[in-house]
Order: sequence, then structure tokens, then C-alpha cells
Amino acid sequence: AQKVTQAQTEISVVEKEDVTLDCVYETRDTTYYLFWYKQPPSGELVFLIRRNSFDEQNEISGRYSWNFQKSTSSFNFTITASQVVDSAVYFCALNPLSSNTGKLIFGQGTTLQVKP
Amino acid sequence: DTAVSQTPKYLVTQMGNDKSIKCEQNLGHDTMYWYKQDSKKFLKIMFSYNNKELIINETVPNRFSPKSPDKAHLNLHINSLELGDSAVYFCASSRESPRGTEAFFGQGTRLTVV
Repeated sequence: AQKVTQAQTEISVVEKEDVTLDCVYETRDTTYYLFWYKQPPSGELVFLIRRNSFDEQNEISGRYSWNFQKSTSSFNFTITASQVVDSAVYFCALNPLSSNTGKLIFGQGTTLQVKP
Repeated sequence: DTAVSQTPKYLVTQMGNDKSIKCEQNLGHDTMYWYKQDSKKFLKIMFSYNNKELIINETVPNRFSPKSPDKAHLNLHINSLELGDSAVYFCASSRESPRGTEAFFGQGTRLTVV
């Protein structure tokens, strides 16, 4: 089965706290791609990061960092020193190579609320 | 310039009507998609087109018919609308190659069937 699980439905933090959003995926493919998207209250879907299955290097972009661990099939996302503008729904997604297209399999999303 | 644009942004219509949502991308991508986001925010693919050819049809009722007049456009026509069709519909596009490139999404069309 090809599946993405984001077990945290909602997270609420106070500004400046660090927060980690969990993502666990299932696929039989050895080649696959993982993504994170942000959906702010305005509703659009904004691409954050892409990672392929052969690149387990963690990535940092400003206050955002991603931890990819194939051994646990996880691709977690950490926001450091959260800000109110980080409030959004965050989606983790999987594109297995066997899908023969760029079709994304999304997790259920995690709603992050950052309070001032 | 908007990369992926959908029209209309909001659509309110009565049950039984037929409606269309239009999508255009100016990124030169080969592949376009329609996704449906339900009231619980769950996103699921409906269709995928590559160079105007249907690649994926994810068990969507045949009241939904996508049409791709050219590589840059993918429209969604819905016949005999039902209450359960109320959702946000997203158009997206991506490059065919190299695989694993990110998809760019339109701003969504919120469809409300009353």
C-alpha cells in the first residue's frame, strides 16, 4: 500500500516555541519522492520541500528543517522559534516512482496554530 | 503572473446543475492534475493528464469529465451536481521529467452545491 500518515491532527503552540510535525509513509517502491506543502488560511497550497529516497541528508532552510529517516519511514518537519504566520495546515505527500506520474498521495494534514 | 490559475474561485450552484472549472498553467509543464479537498481538508487526486492524454482516473464518478484542449489547459466539467460534490477543487501542474519535481497548485475553486 502507498500511504502517508500524519498522526497529529492539530497542534497548538505559543510563539517562539519549536514544533515538530510528524510524517510516516508506506511504499513498496525503492525510488520515491517526499514533499511538504503548507496551506495557510487563505487556502492556497505552497510547496516547501522535496526529497528523493536516495538523499537522506537533513535540510535546513531558515527556521525550517526536515529530518528524513528511511529506517523509520519518516520525514518530519520542525519549525524553530515559531511565529504566528506559521499558522497553517501542513501536508506531507508521497510520489512513488511506480505511479508513472507526479501524482501525490497526501497525508491527512496537521493544523498548526501558533498563538501570540 | 500567476503560474497556475483557476476560475472561478467560488462557485455556488444548485443540485442537478452542470458546471465547469477552468485551469491554465504558464509554466510549460507537461502534466496537469485535478485534486479534491473535502471538508476535513483531505486531498485526493482525481485526474492526471500528460500532454493532453488521460493518465490517471482515480475512480471518480463519470459525472466528472476532464478536458485538456492543449498542454497548458485542463478543465473540469461536472454534470448533475450533488450535495456531496461540495469541496475545494485544486488544479496543479508539474514537469514530466525529471521525476519527482514539485507540483504547483492553483488557488483552488470552492464549490458549494445547495
